Amino acid sequence: NAGVTQTPKFRILKIGQSMTLQCTQDMNHNYMYWYRQDPGMGLKLIYYSVGAGITDKGEVPNGYNVSRSTTEDFPLRLELAAPSQTSVYFCASSYDQGSNNSPLHFGNGTRLTVT
Amino acid sequence: QKEVEQNSGPLSVPEGAIASLNCTYSDRGSQSFFWYRQYSGKSPELIMFIYSNGDKEDGRFTAQLNKASQYVSLLIRDSQPSDSATYLCAVNMFDTGNQFYFGTGTSLTVIP
Repeated sequence: NAGVTQTPKFRILKIGQSMTLQCTQDMNHNYMYWYRQDPGMGLKLIYYSVGAGITDKGEVPNGYNVSRSTTEDFPLRLELAAPSQTSVYFCASSYDQGSNNSPLHFGNGTRLTVT
Repeated sequence: QKEVEQNSGPLSVPEGAIASLNCTYSDRGSQSFFWYRQYSGKSPELIMFIYSNGDKEDGRFTAQLNKASQYVSLLIRDSQPSDSATYLCAVNMFDTGNQFYFGTGTSLTVIP
């Protein structure tokens, strides 16, 4: 199993450009998440999904959009990039609600710079 | 507001000593607690999880949970330089769509 795969690893955007961060998992996990991590800060939840066709906002959703057309894929879309979106983005997945031992499995992250 | 608090450190311990990392959380509905280790420039990796009051041991690591005090800790015995990293505490609540709330992390340095 590859686990959670994110692409690209690095990206530089100009202000106002758009891009999609790709995330796919091969563990048949129901739950998928997008986090951002700024220097010295914890992980902040952007969006999450409890299954195909269902998405919901997290703590910091403004400026982002997501879709979940399949169990495996959970892309994150930035429509009008702003410097405040410079961050490291992590995609994660977990297996089962109601289970006490369903940890998050993280991808390797995407380092995004908006200038 | 659901909050997870950690001392940001940095925490420095000599090699072979016990490192103690602490985490408090605000929501009594929290049900599962996870410790992740994150090396600089890398993604978080799971160390261990706990959901029952008391201690849980896994090798050199021990997680301790006290739900009445809303407190979870991680002890690292016989600390090694390779343990130098940021340790993230995460709290999971099932009735919020299985969301995980993270602390800001504690930076640990093990001095050889």
